[in-house]
Amino acid sequence: DAKTTQPNSMESNEEEPVHLPCNHSTISGTDYIHWYRQLPSQGPEYVIHGLTSNVNNRMASLAIAEDRKSSTLILHRATLRDAAVYYCILRGPDSWGKLQFGAGTQVVVTP
Amino acid sequence: NAGVTQTPKFQVLKTGQSMTLQCAQDMNHNSMYWYRQDPGMGLRLIYYSASEGTTDKGEVPNGYNVSRLNKREFSLRLESAAPSQTSVYFCASNRHLNTEAFFGQGTRLTVV
Repeated sequence: DAKTTQPNSMESNEEEPVHLPCNHSTISGTDYIHWYRQLPSQGPEYVIHGLTSNVNNRMASLAIAEDRKSSTLILHRATLRDAAVYYCILRGPDSWGKLQFGAGTQVVVTP
Repeated sequence: NAGVTQTPKFQVLKTGQSMTLQCAQDMNHNSMYWYRQDPGMGLRLIYYSASEGTTDKGEVPNGYNVSRLNKREFSLRLESAAPSQTSVYFCASNRHLNTEAFFGQGTRLTVV
């Protein structure tokens, strides 16, 4: 399975944007890039996913590099509720059944 | 619409005891998953069921069995609990293999 690499932690001030990087240099052409987040003491929740084009939804934006070897999750205005662990996951025909999580990035938001 | 419901929420077992963790979803999803999460760690996939009637091993299946009882329910059984199985267990489901997955609130299991 193609792997992802994320920083262990990132800090942000409230109401400022947060850019969370994810490297996936071995991504295949059929792998989708998924992001989930896990708030303290809760199960993970879906954030966004994409294949090639940048994607936007009410929670975040996903910017995908042209060569698809990296992507960035953008939280436009961080709130205290955005403090969570963010997971970048690749899903493709070989791994669709597995939804495997890595260590993720711990985001700390300070008032 | 309850989403993914796990029971029980908390459980304490003695070493060697058995128990079944229950998971049910009301979203008519095809795929279901069981994960464990140890303190300070990411989620690890135990078993998954891509569709009703099928189950497959994930990263850490040893010591567990699963049953996809019907489309709604996917249970996880510990036949002989060990302290190493102390963890938080999450169930998840999604409609198809590459769509948004929904997670339950977790079952906190302690084996003493």
